[in-house]
Amino acid sequence: GDSVTQMEGPVTLSEEAFLTINCTYTATGYPSLFWYVQYPGEGLQLLLKATKADDKGSNKGFEATYRKETTSFHLEKGSVQVSDSAVYFCAQAGGTSYGKLTFGQGTILTVHP
Amino acid sequence: GAVVSQHPSRVICKSGTSVKIECRSLDFQATTMFWYRQFPKKSLMLMATSNEGSKATYEQGVEKDKFLINHASLTLSTLTVTSAHPEDSSFYICSARASGRYSYNEQFFGPGTRLTVL
Repeated sequence: GDSVTQMEGPVTLSEEAFLTINCTYTATGYPSLFWYVQYPGEGLQLLLKATKADDKGSNKGFEATYRKETTSFHLEKGSVQVSDSAVYFCAQAGGTSYGKLTFGQGTILTVHP
Repeated sequence: GAVVSQHPSRVICKSGTSVKIECRSLDFQATTMFWYRQFPKKSLMLMATSNEGSKATYEQGVEKDKFLINHASLTLSTLTVTSAHPEDSSFYICSARASGRYSYNEQFFGPGTRLTVL
């Protein structure tokens, strides 16, 4: 079945450091891929998305490229800020899940000044 | 655009009582809404898919008689936790899939409801 695997956290970085959070997926068909962010005590916000192979999603300095050959959608940011501290979820929809979102386990990011 | 609200944001109730949580799409019509449960430091677990005008589809292991879902209009879905017990305490999040101008697979999430059962 469809699944998403994220890099284990927590991830702790200093401000202005480079961030990578790995995400791989398994799916039958061609899913859409998403990164969601959850700030403490809040619901999920869509951070970025990609709907087909080689698409690059980007928002707020974050980027992720849909790599069909490696079934990956790694999240990157060149210079993190304290305000980026949150939980990040990789997710896919489509494939055999008929539009349901399948989430990774989430990665807690903490950025120190 | 694509805003989803939930009410209440927090609720505390006594064991044995029922609690209703509302999920509204404020500026779009949602033919499908989803209800998730999130445990501390865990990912979201899909509980059920709610389609307007029809019965909800529950995921395996979710008690449909305990978690009643009603999707009476294109902008409102409700989750009622019946005879709540402390183990039902959790963060409940809804999402809505918009028809029309958004891609089919995109969901918009509400801010969540923190339920505490004493």
